[in-house]
Amino acid sequence: NAGVTQTPKFRILKIGQSMTLQCTQDMNHNYMYWYRQDPGMGLKLIYYSVGAGITDKGEVPNGYNVSRSTTEDFPLRLELAAPSQTSVYFCASSRKMDRVVYGYTFGSGTRLTVV
Amino acid sequence: KNEVEQSPQNLTAQEGEFITINCSYSVGISALHWLQQHPGGGIVSLFMLSSGKKKHGRLIATINIQEKHSSLHITASHPRDSAVYICAVSGGGADGLTFGKGTHLIIQP
Repeated sequence: NAGVTQTPKFRILKIGQSMTLQCTQDMNHNYMYWYRQDPGMGLKLIYYSVGAGITDKGEVPNGYNVSRSTTEDFPLRLELAAPSQTSVYFCASSRKMDRVVYGYTFGSGTRLTVV
Repeated sequence: KNEVEQSPQNLTAQEGEFITINCSYSVGISALHWLQQHPGGGIVSLFMLSSGKKKHGRLIATINIQEKHSSLHITASHPRDSAVYICAVSGGGADGLTFGKGTHLIIQP
């Protein structure tokens, strides 16, 4: 049981390049999330999804896009990378019962540097 | 929007000491999470609380819903407990967790 798997673990991008951060989970969780973590700050929500085909913006969505074609996969797309997107990115998943979210599981993170 | 405050921001202690990390939040929640992050590492969920107290090994988490406050305690601390401990809250909706900035704990041998 792998949990939440993120790839790649590290990446260096040049300004203006694009890339996709991959995230997959094998726990049949219907909720998935992308967060970014900047030094000295709490994690911030970028995008989230409540199920296949449904996505919504979080607190800091600008410069990113997501899709959720299957329950398992929730890739994060960076278009036209900027230095402000240098951060550590975490994918997470959870399930929901009786309006309470359970079983929060995080991936191991992707450390992205834009130069 | 919920505001989550943790204290202290940094804590250095000697092996064996009893450790307390505090978390307060501004708006009612459905659950509070305590997370652990080792340097350069991923994030591991330690506890999810909606009331009362939970214990796992040397770790104890408590929450007071009326006072909007939670504490994480570590008994008989050990150098391997050195990590960042993060408090996060959820409001029952689907829009993710709101996180504190974390407490950086160092346990010296």
